[in-house]
Amino acid sequence: EAGVTQSPTHLIKTRGQQATLRCSPISGHTSVYWYQQALGLGLQFLLWYDEGEERNRGNFPPRFSGRQFPNYSSELNVNALELEDSALYLCASSLSGDRYNEQFFGPGTRLTVL
Amino acid sequence: AQSVTQPDIHITVSEGASLELRCNYSYGATPYLFWYVQSPGQGLQLLLKYFSGDTLVQGIKGFEAEFKRSQSSFNLRKPSVHWSDAAEYFCAVGVKGNTGKLIFGQGTTLQVKP
Repeated sequence: EAGVTQSPTHLIKTRGQQATLRCSPISGHTSVYWYQQALGLGLQFLLWYDEGEERNRGNFPPRFSGRQFPNYSSELNVNALELEDSALYLCASSLSGDRYNEQFFGPGTRLTVL
Repeated sequence: AQSVTQPDIHITVSEGASLELRCNYSYGATPYLFWYVQSPGQGLQLLLKYFSGDTLVQGIKGFEAEFKRSQSSFNLRKPSVHWSDAAEYFCAVGVKGNTGKLIFGQGTTLQVKP
């Protein structure tokens, strides 16, 4: 069974540009989560999508946004990139309504902002 | 507020020695608890989880963890460490109430000496 996949593996942008990161969940999973892993800040919850809707977001500015498509894949968009947005962005998926919140993670996208 | 503390940022053990990684949580009820492992440049792999019931849980790769409510701890153990266990280990708590959020500790980096 294929796990969570993310693309691209690496992304290099300059300050002020926009970045788009993509995630495909495990087959049968309808919830997708995004986390940011920045140096010195640990893993921070960004967004949760379920059944095409944004269900929750972490303490991040509105320039971090995303969407979930009918096939449950998801896209994270980061507008007006800042140097401190450089991080590993991890996507996770789970079954919808999983009361235990068991999440399975992808390999991540390394975003570098110059 | 919920939080997870991993007191040890870095641990070095000899190959074949036993291992214990500490995790303490702050949560108002019985939490859902997870241990993940992250190899360099990789995503997170779920090692084990605790939802309820038996407080000693077995995971993959020979790892186990014990939930101790009185100490608010969920320490990870392995009887004999292998060089391939060198990685970063994260303890996480699942927030109840359908938030979709996992709260992670800061991580413990394990180095294995030959």
